[in-house]
Amino acid sequence: GAVVSQHPSRVICKSGTSVKIECRSLDFQATTMFWYRQFPKQSLMLMATSNEGSKATYEQGVEKDKFLINHASLTLSTLTVTSAHPEDSSFYICSAERGAGRETQYFGPGTRLLVL
Amino acid sequence: EDQVTQSPEALRLQEGESSSLNCSYTVSGLRGLFWYRQDPGKGPEFLFTLYSAGEEKEKERLKATLTKKESFLHITAPKPEDSATYLCAVQAIKAAGNKLTFGGGTRVLVKP
Repeated sequence: GAVVSQHPSRVICKSGTSVKIECRSLDFQATTMFWYRQFPKQSLMLMATSNEGSKATYEQGVEKDKFLINHASLTLSTLTVTSAHPEDSSFYICSAERGAGRETQYFGPGTRLLVL
Repeated sequence: EDQVTQSPEALRLQEGESSSLNCSYTVSGLRGLFWYRQDPGKGPEFLFTLYSAGEEKEKERLKATLTKKESFLHITAPKPEDSATYLCAVQAIKAAGNKLTFGGGTRVLVKP
């Protein structure tokens, strides 16, 4: 149990286009999902916390108008990178929190974004 | 501010050579300490959660322990397939939105 999927696994796009990344919890309901960004050989940097049915909470320095997050259901959250630029190229990873009293985050496989 | 420091940054081991990874933390009330394994190009894989000092958990060749200031991940008789980056993270009782604070990770390479 506790499987989280992401789609797509890899995407290449042109500068100025928007890209949507989906994160799904496959075998549990997640009231909270998290979006991270990871640069090569660095640790995970939290971008935002997404709660089902409410607005996402963004970390300091993360542009909410550029990184749109929607948590439409208990099993799906989406991250849209709007008007992507080469500096947005990175590895984006989501996680879902499986509750039951002690919160453990389970991570998806990640999405590699390359903006040309 | 919650802080997590992992050492060493990198560790090269011979197959069968046991070792330990350190995770030192400062947090305003610990809710949980988490260990993850991350392979290149993949998302972190959950290993353990520790909640209180003195707690220990084991899984195959891995054993995690916790004190009030640090956690250790012991790798016993490692195999090449144990090569990965091991990430430690803490969750504070007062963490907004239950967010995790991650350390920089320890890259482990086990040579046959």
